[in-house]
Amino acid sequence: DGGITQSPKYLFRKEGQNVTLSCEQNLNHDAMYWYRQDPGQGLRLIYYSQIVNDFQKGDIAEGYSVSREKKESFPLTVTSAQKNPTAFYLCASTSPGQGPSLYGYTFGSGTRLTVV
Amino acid sequence: GNSVTQMEGPVTLSEEAFLTINCTYTATGYPSLFWYVQYPGEGLQLLLKATKADDKGSNKGFEATYRKETTSFHLEKGSVQVSDSAVYFCALTKGSGGSNYKLTFGKGTLLTVNP
Repeated sequence: DGGITQSPKYLFRKEGQNVTLSCEQNLNHDAMYWYRQDPGQGLRLIYYSQIVNDFQKGDIAEGYSVSREKKESFPLTVTSAQKNPTAFYLCASTSPGQGPSLYGYTFGSGTRLTVV
Repeated sequence: GNSVTQMEGPVTLSEEAFLTINCTYTATGYPSLFWYVQYPGEGLQLLLKATKADDKGSNKGFEATYRKETTSFHLEKGSVQVSDSAVYFCALTKGSGGSNYKLTFGKGTLLTVNP
């Protein structure tokens, strides 16, 4: 079945280390997104990419980096510059050609990152 | 810019009670509106959607009607079950093209249904 796979489900990081979260989709979607979820704050957009080799900053991009070398993959790196990285991270995708307005967005099951 | 405001939680109900979670939005043009549900420890699942004014989205007994005049998309269910306990997010996206391919979320409403 098609879907989005995020790995790992739980991740622990020491302060000062970079860490990369994986997001892979086999839906043939062009656009991919990273959201951060914190209790009481909903979901906030970190980065998004509408096409391979191109991506844009979202609302809270500082301390994060991404790449989009393949259509199916959109990894997120949480750098040591991110002051408060402990959160739940969600990856999503959609296909502009099919209309996100009609079909919405597909989400992965998330990665919970904890800084220890 | 676009924004979504939804009812603050948490909401606690008894099984078979009526549910309403209010959602209002601010957006230019004609956005599409969504309700997503998140069960504990999981990602978001699309619950229902509406793409134009007066559309009613429905799924699993949940309903919401796109009200352009009041810029609202309230979620309702006539009789909730324990299995409906989750966080519910109202969201919007604009029609199509360019930077409009972004979902804007409300802060979420935690629903707990007791037996």
